[in-house]
Amino acid sequence: DAGVTQSPTHLIKTRGQQVTLRCSPKSGHDTVSWYQQALGQGPQFIFQYYEEEERQRGNFPDRFSGHQYPNYSSELNVNALLLGDSALYLCASSRVRLDTQYFGPGTRLTVL
Amino acid sequence: GENVEQHPSTLSVQEGDSAVIKCTYSDSASNYFPWYKQELGKRPQLIIDIRSNVGEKKDQRIAVTLNKTAKHFSLHITETQPEDSAVYFCAASELGYSTLTFGKGTMLLVSP
Repeated sequence: DAGVTQSPTHLIKTRGQQVTLRCSPKSGHDTVSWYQQALGQGPQFIFQYYEEEERQRGNFPDRFSGHQYPNYSSELNVNALLLGDSALYLCASSRVRLDTQYFGPGTRLTVL
Repeated sequence: GENVEQHPSTLSVQEGDSAVIKCTYSDSASNYFPWYKQELGKRPQLIIDIRSNVGEKKDQRIAVTLNKTAKHFSLHITETQPEDSAVYFCAASELGYSTLTFGKGTMLLVSP
């Protein structure tokens, strides 16, 4: 049974560029949440997708957007990258209302 | 929104000692409290969680206690081992919403 997977592992971009990160949830899970983890900090909630719709959103600007596909996989898109967007981006999957979230290995984004 | 405070930020113990990490939360609607362990360069891994209808939960050397009145919860690790060395995060959410608010983490160092 595959756990949560993410791609790519690492990514280097320059300011102003756009990036797309991908996540496949754990088998049997239908809800995907995205988190940003800056160095030395706890993960911060970006948004959550269920039934292909954004259900909840944290305090992140509209430059951060996402998508969920019918197979429950998800994408995180960030436009107009800033230096401050450099972080580890984690996705977590769960079964809706069961709350236990399992994290993927993350994508390390570096913005130069 | 929810705010989670975590203390201490670093904790050094000798192998075999006990370790206690404490968290407080602000939103009385929160009723689900997981703890994650994150080793360097790895994903956060769920080690134990507790729901607010329970005051204490134990799993081998790990236990979590919850005081709803005071809005604080704690992680207790007994008989610590060097492999327990990692960053530990507490989190809080409201059941059914799956959006976790994390503390800033505690780096636990267990010396042989």
